[in-house]
This record gives sequence, structure tokens and C-alpha cells, in this order.
Amino acid sequence: DGGITQSPKYLFRKEGQNVTLSCEQNLNHDAMYWYRQDPGQGLRLIYYSQIVNDFQKGDIAEGYSVSREKKESFPLTVTSAQKNPTAFYLCASGEGRSYEQYFGPGTRLTVT
Amino acid sequence: KQEVTQIPAALSVPEGENLVLNCSFTDSAIYNLQWFRQDPGKGLTSLLLIQSSQREQTSGRLNASLDKSSGRSTLYIAASQPGDSATYLCAVKEAGGGNKLTFGTGTQLKVEL
Repeated sequence: DGGITQSPKYLFRKEGQNVTLSCEQNLNHDAMYWYRQDPGQGLRLIYYSQIVNDFQKGDIAEGYSVSREKKESFPLTVTSAQKNPTAFYLCASGEGRSYEQYFGPGTRLTVT
Repeated sequence: KQEVTQIPAALSVPEGENLVLNCSFTDSAIYNLQWFRQDPGKGLTSLLLIQSSQREQTSGRLNASLDKSSGRSTLYIAASQPGDSATYLCAVKEAGGGNKLTFGTGTQLKVEL
């Protein structure tokens, strides 16, 4: 059953702690993406990776870090430097020429 | 800077009605446009992808059109059903490289019995 999985679905953290969100895909897509969604706003791109061991900053990369050691995995770390980390985080993967993107179910992060 | 706008922000219709959702974008130099559906608390489901060279795409009761020169796309839903209730998002990928999608803020649709 092909698709994108994100875990956990809900995550709670205290302010000042780093937290890592998991994203795995078995669609054999080269490209993977992390977005943040806040109420009343469109999705905003945090980081993306077009190939293993390479990634680029999106529009709102400050306070976040990523790695891409395997094609299937693209974890996102929300660091204590991110000023407003509470949000819904969506991971996506995409295929080459069409650039069509497919999304995971999301992780809702709450930091108090 | 590309901006994507979706109007209306919310829409309520009776079951069975045909409806049109609108998406406009400021920079017509796009590679493609994608329509998504999002249920509350869930991820996005891709509905239709229109390449810049295409005028429309159809899937079942859904038809999406693209007028690149005027910066507009519409999503037509025929014979709406309560199960169509969701937020519909459009996103454009700009031409000229990069993988970034620019999203609109969505139209929240409610189809009532």
C-alpha cells in the first residue's frame, strides 16, 4: 500500500525543547517537502529536498532543520529557536516531471 | 512574488447543486496548477493537476479549467453531495525552476442535506 506516513499524529512539547517529526514515503519519489499550515493562512514551505543528501530552504526555514539520508525519509526538527512552533505540519513527496505533490496526514504540534 | 487568492472563503450549498470554486494568481508564468481537498485535521488529497499547456482536466464530477493569461482557474463540482464538504485548495508551481508551490488559503465548502 503506497503512500506517505507521518508520525505522530499529535505531539506536545514544552517550550525550549527540540522535537523531530517523522515523514516516510514508499512512492519512490525523489522530491520531498515540509509545509506548515496555520489557521487562515495558506501552506508555507519550510524545506524541500530534490535528492538524497541535498535540501534547500523554503520561505520559512528559520528555527527548523532537516536531513535526507535516505530516499524514503525526510525528518523535520523543530528547534527551540522557532518562535511560534505550534502549527499543523504537512509532509509531501513529488514526482519529477509533473511536479505533482502528494501529502501525508499531518502532525499537529502544540508547544506550551 | 506570486500570490494566490481563492474566493469565496466559505460556501454553503444545498445537496445536488452544481457549483464553481475560484482561484486566481498574480503571475501567469506558471508550470502547472493543482487542486486539493482537505478534510478537517487531515492532509491534502490531490484532485486534479493542470499543466500550463492544458485548458482543463476532468475527474468524475470534478472539472478544473485554467486560463493562464488571465491568471484564473475554476473547479466545477457537479451534483454536489454532503461528502464533498471539505476545504478546497489550489496551488501553482511557477515556471523557471524550483519546486515551490504557492497555495491559496482555500474555500471551505459545506453541502447541506
